[in-house]
Amino acid sequence: TQLLEQSPQFLSIQEGENLTVYCNSSSVFSSLQWYRQEPGEGPVLLVTVVTGGEVKKLKRLTFQFGDARKDSSLHITAAQPGDTGLYLCAPLRRGYSTLTFGKGTMLLVSP
Amino acid sequence: DSGVTQTPKHLITATGQRVTLRCSPRSGDLSVYWYQQSLDQGLQFLIQYYNGEERAKGNILERFSAQQFPDLHSELNLSSLELGDSALYFCASSVRGADNSPLHFGNGTRLTVT
Repeated sequence: TQLLEQSPQFLSIQEGENLTVYCNSSSVFSSLQWYRQEPGEGPVLLVTVVTGGEVKKLKRLTFQFGDARKDSSLHITAAQPGDTGLYLCAPLRRGYSTLTFGKGTMLLVSP
Repeated sequence: DSGVTQTPKHLITATGQRVTLRCSPRSGDLSVYWYQQSLDQGLQFLIQYYNGEERAKGNILERFSAQQFPDLHSELNLSSLELGDSALYFCASSVRGADNSPLHFGNGTRLTVT
């Protein structure tokens, strides 16, 4: 059984701080997606990473896919209150057509 | 706006009852997915349909069933409801339903079983 772990579970920071959240597994993935879910809404796709070692930037968000394609990280620079939400990683395993979601990291950014 | 519509937004019902949740996918998307989200289990995949046919099954209970109609909308039927079925139920759609196609989620149906 695949073990997918996101850490930390909860993070509360002040506006302007930097942070990193992690997504780890014992399995190798063909690709991985990051989603953000705001209260009362469904998850929204932020990025898809495919190649081991790949780094993608989305404004103040930097996503990295591990070299072995078993882990990923999301770094936010100068966090803003609008970054508040549940960050979910969703790897895709080879041969599967459906995503498995981690339990997420709940981020709260206070003004 | 993701383009995925779910109804109703909220549903309160009693144990033992049956409910139907409805989902209209984003225009052009052929695949529909159902997920259940609770605090302790996170976002759990239930079932996927592609162009009217069941494509994949996840942790869906036998008391639950779903279908996708010719117009591509989907319904999730939950029967013999238990207190533990209280959760947020999300529908998502994608174009192809395979590989790493992005999922577009609706805003969910919050089900409360009393």
